[in-house]
Amino acid sequence: SQQGEEDPQALSIQEGENATMNCSYKTSINNLQWYRQNSGRGLVHLILIRSNEREKHSGRLRVTLDTSKKSSSLLITASRAADTASYFCATASTGRRALTFGSGTRLQVQP
Amino acid sequence: DAGVIQSPRHEVTEMGQEVTLRCKPISGHNSLFWYRQTMMRGLELLIYFNNNVPIDDSGMPEDRFSAKMPNASFSTLKIQPSEPRDSAVYFCASSDWGQVNSGYTFGSGTRLTVV
Repeated sequence: SQQGEEDPQALSIQEGENATMNCSYKTSINNLQWYRQNSGRGLVHLILIRSNEREKHSGRLRVTLDTSKKSSSLLITASRAADTASYFCATASTGRRALTFGSGTRLQVQP
Repeated sequence: DAGVIQSPRHEVTEMGQEVTLRCKPISGHNSLFWYRQTMMRGLELLIYFNNNVPIDDSGMPEDRFSAKMPNASFSTLKIQPSEPRDSAVYFCASSDWGQVNSGYTFGSGTRLTVV
């Protein structure tokens, strides 16, 4: 079963704009991770945020985590056409090592 | 490191045939995961191993599916007999079990089509 649900399911923006994707989950977690998947490819790990962290940055990526609301957001700033991909959140539940993935957000960045 | 290596990249087989998917994890990673991705169900965990031992196979759909990890550098996922509903992209991923807060490295996947 899928733990995380992403919102929106699809997002289309212009190059240079910011893209924000949201993820909600159901159980207590050790960490939450974001992955990118280009069409026909495997998933690539982008960033991990621990349950005791509230915000984390990596290059143009900013992730927030609100454990009280069981939600996270991924912000991609100054988007590029190369950012076009599907983005998935994944949670590592407390006491379980395997990641559970959300349904994903399809991001289209128009040049 | 060449990353997680899966083979074959594509497999087309007839219903009832046996299918074997292969995975070579990253050297030094001691956890290995098999996922299946479909449009309808998204990414589903099938089974995962730690130090070559299966830890949780509750995601394996039915007895037609089996997975092995005979050593730290190789794992197989077998479907026998295959059915059209098994058509999906199968991913293998590996990570360092000792690092609770570490990400996975995924292979490129095997696209399976059962006709």
